[in-house]
Amino acid sequence: SQKIEQNSEALNIQEGKTATLTCNYTNYSPAYLQWYRQDPGRGPVFLLLIRENEKEKRKERLKVTFDTTLKQSLFHITASQPADSATYLCAPNMRFGAGTRLTVKP
Amino acid sequence: DTEVTQTPKHLVMGMTNKKSLKCEQHMGHRAMYWYKQKAKKPPELMFVYSYEKLSINESVPSRFSPECPNSSLLNLHLHALQPEDSALYLCASRKIAGGPYEQYFGPGTRLTVT
Repeated sequence: SQKIEQNSEALNIQEGKTATLTCNYTNYSPAYLQWYRQDPGRGPVFLLLIRENEKEKRKERLKVTFDTTLKQSLFHITASQPADSATYLCAPNMRFGAGTRLTVKP
Repeated sequence: DTEVTQTPKHLVMGMTNKKSLKCEQHMGHRAMYWYKQKAKKPPELMFVYSYEKLSINESVPSRFSPECPNSSLLNLHLHALQPEDSALYLCASRKIAGGPYEQYFGPGTRLTVT
């Protein structure tokens, strides 16, 4: 069956550092992969979408890579800020991983 | 406008009640989705509508009944729910043809079954 794993349940980093989140999937080949931010009690907010034929995508301080051979996506937030603290979800096609709760400490 | 609206924001219902959740978007998206999210868990796909037709039902119990009356509206009818059905219910939509394909989510309806 399809499985989506995000590398860690929680990640704590210092302000200004780069946060790197990992998403691995097995038993399917998604045509695209999305990353979302979710704050407690709210709906997910779309951040970036990367297609299977794209290696990398950037938007402001965000960068996503997609390796279809490794079946892995990496999500980077550079120059992290306390306001970036949230849960980040990866979604190959329309199904979600468990999320990584990121805390950026001042 | 990238807004998906959901009503009500909160709903408390008894196990014998019948209620409906509503979702609306005016972005011209022809795919609409219902997800269920329990606390500290990811959204779990329930139903997908494509061009107003049900295309995916993730083996959801029949006490949840989706309806897509037109291309802007999506309903979820609830009947004889159980306390374990208490969760945040999220609606999402996206384009089908021509892209981009990102899903936009509504704020959700917080459902409590007593």
